[in-house]
Amino acid sequence: RKEVEQDPGPFNVPEGATVAFNCTYSNSASQSFFWYRQDCRKEPKLLMSVYSSGNEDGRFTAQLNRASQYISLLIRDSKLSDSATYLCVVRAGSYQLTFGKGTKLSVIP
Amino acid sequence: NAGVTQTPKFQVLKTGQSMTLQCAQDMNHNSMYWYRQDPGMGLRLIYYSASEGTTDKGEVPNGYNVSRLNKREFSLRLESAAPSQTSVYFCASLGVRLSTDTQYFGPGTRLTVL
Repeated sequence: RKEVEQDPGPFNVPEGATVAFNCTYSNSASQSFFWYRQDCRKEPKLLMSVYSSGNEDGRFTAQLNRASQYISLLIRDSKLSDSATYLCVVRAGSYQLTFGKGTKLSVIP
Repeated sequence: NAGVTQTPKFQVLKTGQSMTLQCAQDMNHNSMYWYRQDPGMGLRLIYYSASEGTTDKGEVPNGYNVSRLNKREFSLRLESAAPSQTSVYFCASLGVRLSTDTQYFGPGTRLTVL
């Protein structure tokens, strides 16, 4: 079983739609969780951390379920500029982060 | 404040040639990393350096060596390039942003080995 698994997509959604991405992780000792965004041919950048209580940043909501080892990202009112690949990232040790392969989102006019 | 910089941005090598990818960060971060990214494979850790003077293997270290020259610089060397090393290479450093550990990535080096 891969350490961090994501649906690769692509997700093609119209502007204004709500889209949800899911991620599962295998290491129960994982301590920190993140969503990164990667635009085409660019470097990954931190979108948001994921906390046990769930957290929101504008149109973006992240949820963590430690019992199920499951992380989600919800994007409301999708914009064209949200088109990117979204990477689920998990940290178990002090220094190493494990990246999922990413889910590609295309927001269509 | 340039963040993480990488050179070169693009490189084409022939099989068997050697080269060094350079990385520097000006954020005073202790930890630095080298990843490769291939289509359908995601980001895979090659080597990392938890602090100046230390380096450790990641998931895919074979065919690579690294040097943590000082706190700012972390280089990746391919001694004898192979076509399987064609990839996009990202350097990253680990710092704290809004109380969260955050990896800051360089812009990447696109390497083709013929």
